[in-house]
Amino acid sequence: EAEVAQSPRYKITEKSQAVAFWCDPISGHATLYWYRQILGQGPELLVQFQDESVVDDSQLPKDRFSAERLKGVDSTLKIQPAELGDSAMYLCASSFSRDEQFFGPGTRLTVL
Amino acid sequence: AQKITQTQPGMFVQEKEAVTLDCTYDTSDQSYGLFWYKQPSSGEMIFLIYQGSYDEQNATEGRYSLNFQKARKSANLVISASQLGDSAMYFCAMKGTHLGAGSYQLTFGKGTKLSVIP
Repeated sequence: EAEVAQSPRYKITEKSQAVAFWCDPISGHATLYWYRQILGQGPELLVQFQDESVVDDSQLPKDRFSAERLKGVDSTLKIQPAELGDSAMYLCASSFSRDEQFFGPGTRLTVL
Repeated sequence: AQKITQTQPGMFVQEKEAVTLDCTYDTSDQSYGLFWYKQPSSGEMIFLIYQGSYDEQNATEGRYSLNFQKARKSANLVISASQLGDSAMYFCAMKGTHLGAGSYQLTFGKGTKLSVIP
C-alpha cells in the first residue's frame, strides 16, 4: 500500500542550528501539505503545494522557515535558526484531488 | 473563518462498549466536509471517516459512524464495540476554503484522548 514517507522520524537539535525535514508523497498526488502539531494541539497548516507551486504559505514563519518542492514530487521543510518554540511534530500529507489527505509518520523535533 | 471544537480532552470506555466523541463546528461555507482522524502514540494521522455537508445519510465505515446533525453543526464520531487498539487521540477536522486544482484547507480541533479499559 502506498504511503507518505518522512525522514528523519526524530530530530534533536540545539537552538540557533539549522534543521531540515524531507517528505515523499504518495505517487501521483499533486497536492502536498506541511503541518506543525504542538503537543496537546491539533495540526496546523504551515504550507501547501500544488505540484511545484506554493498555494498557501500564510501561516509559515518566513523569517526562519522555508519550504520547497522543486520538481513537484518530494519536498523539504527547513528551519534556520531553530528556536525552543519550534519543538513539535512536523507532519506531511498528500492528496490526489478532493479526497482525504494521507499523512506520513511525522518528524518529532526537539530543540534544546 | 472555520472553527472546530472538541470539548472532551479525555474519554474512558470499557472494552466492547460503544463511545461517542463530540465535535462541533462553525463555518460560513455552504459546502464543506468533515473528517475524523485517529492518531496513535506513534504519531501518524490515520483517516477514519468522512461526511460531506450535502450527504443525506450519515457516513459509516466498519465500527465507525458519524452522527451528522447539520442544524446543530455537530459531527460526532461513534465507535462501536471498542477495542484496546482504539486507545489513541482522535481529531475532528473540517475541509473548506477550496484553493483550486483539488487542494483545500483542513482545520483541526484540539483532539480527544480515548482510553479503552480492559
